[in-house]
Formats: sequence, C-alpha cells, structure tokens
Amino acid sequence: DIQMTQSPSSLSASVGDRVTITCRASQTITTLLSWYQQKPGKAPKLLIYAASSLQSGVPSRFSGSGSGTDFTLTISSLQPEDFATYYCQQSSSTPSTFGQGTKLEIK
Amino acid sequence: QLQMQESGPGLVKPSETLSLTCTVSGGSISSRSYYWGWIRQPPGKGLEWIGSIYYSGSTYYNPSLKSRVTIFVDTSKNQFSLKLDSVTAADTAVYYCARRGKIWGEAGNWGQGTLVTVSS
Repeated sequence: DIQMTQSPSSLSASVGDRVTITCRASQTITTLLSWYQQKPGKAPKLLIYAASSLQSGVPSRFSGSGSGTDFTLTISSLQPEDFATYYCQQSSSTPSTFGQGTKLEIK
Repeated sequence: QLQMQESGPGLVKPSETLSLTCTVSGGSISSRSYYWGWIRQPPGKGLEWIGSIYYSGSTYYNPSLKSRVTIFVDTSKNQFSLKLDSVTAADTAVYYCARRGKIWGEAGNWGQGTLVTVSS
C-alpha cells in the first residue's frame, strides 16, 4: 500500500492567517491526489482533485500544488468556517489511501 | 443534484454480517464516468477506503478487507450495497458511500454516513 503522511498532525492558527498543510506519498502518485475538509459529525467535503484543481463551489482561498510524492494544501486567508480536519487521499493505486489528517484549530 | 443515502442496521453482533445499501438519486449509477464506493471511519480516527464498484460490476477491494467484503450494484434500483462478513468490534465505524471520478479518483459526492456498532 502507498502510505500518505500529512504534516503537521495539528495546527493552531488565527483568522486571516495563511496556512499550509503538506502530504507526502511513500512512492510516486503523479498528480492523483485529492484534499478533503471534514467537520465534526459530517462527511468529508472534496476541496481539491488532481493535486491542484479546485472543486466547483469551493472558495478560491483554497489551493493545491505538487506532483510525484510531495503535495501541499494552502489556505490563503483563514476564515472561521475553515477550522476543521483536512485529509489527503491518493488514487494512484489500489487500495486508495488517506493521510492521517491535520486538525486545524483556532489560536 | 446528486444525493446519496446509506441505510442498514446500526447494530450488528460479533461474527455476523454487516449489510448496508446506498441509494443514489439525482443521477444514474450506470454512468460510465464514475465508480461507487464505500469508506469507513472508526470513532475519532481517520478514513479507510473499503472498495469500489463500476456500473458493469467490476470491483476493487482493499486487500486488508478483501476476504470479508462484497460490493454489488443494482442498476434497476440505482443502488449499490456492501456486505462485510465476520465482523468484530474493530469494524465499528461510520460507513460512508461515495461517488468517485473515473479519471482522477476523487470522491466528489458522499452520503451523510451511518454509524454501525458491532456489539453483542
């Protein structure tokens, strides 16, 4: 299985901050990488697919980059509704695997 | 707008079979552009992909669960289903159904999730 490692595991930030979350794959996955946001008691919500494509309806303050094994999710200016847990997922090989999650908390 | 809804028992006894169905509305499960899959999340933990099915019936399972999992599709009812045999407490989780893109593999649509507890 391809292992997906996110860093940091948790992060405290303030409204208006720029935040970056990284995801590293244990082997190359080209750009077959998605990012999700999950709030307590809710299903994950797709933010980014194909490493850098913004899902329809997702605010433009979210962006993704990377290819191969190293990827980033950036939130350019944190809003109150962005405090949540974020997951990356690779779709390069079966089984599809997720990172362990990054919990973004209010400072 | 596509909607997905999981249904099935919320409590299953150890060693029995967990059975869930996902009903899809607002879109066809026979679309050639998507896979239909199951993902689970134990309480307080991360996400685990269980498996996916294509409208044709082709399946892709997580090897860690493959010996116990069956996913099948009923195109006439626009539903797909999950069976997980010989469950233990470790299978207690919120189970989500999701639609995945065929090209990029992204899960763009999810059900709300259903908690299944394995306990006697």
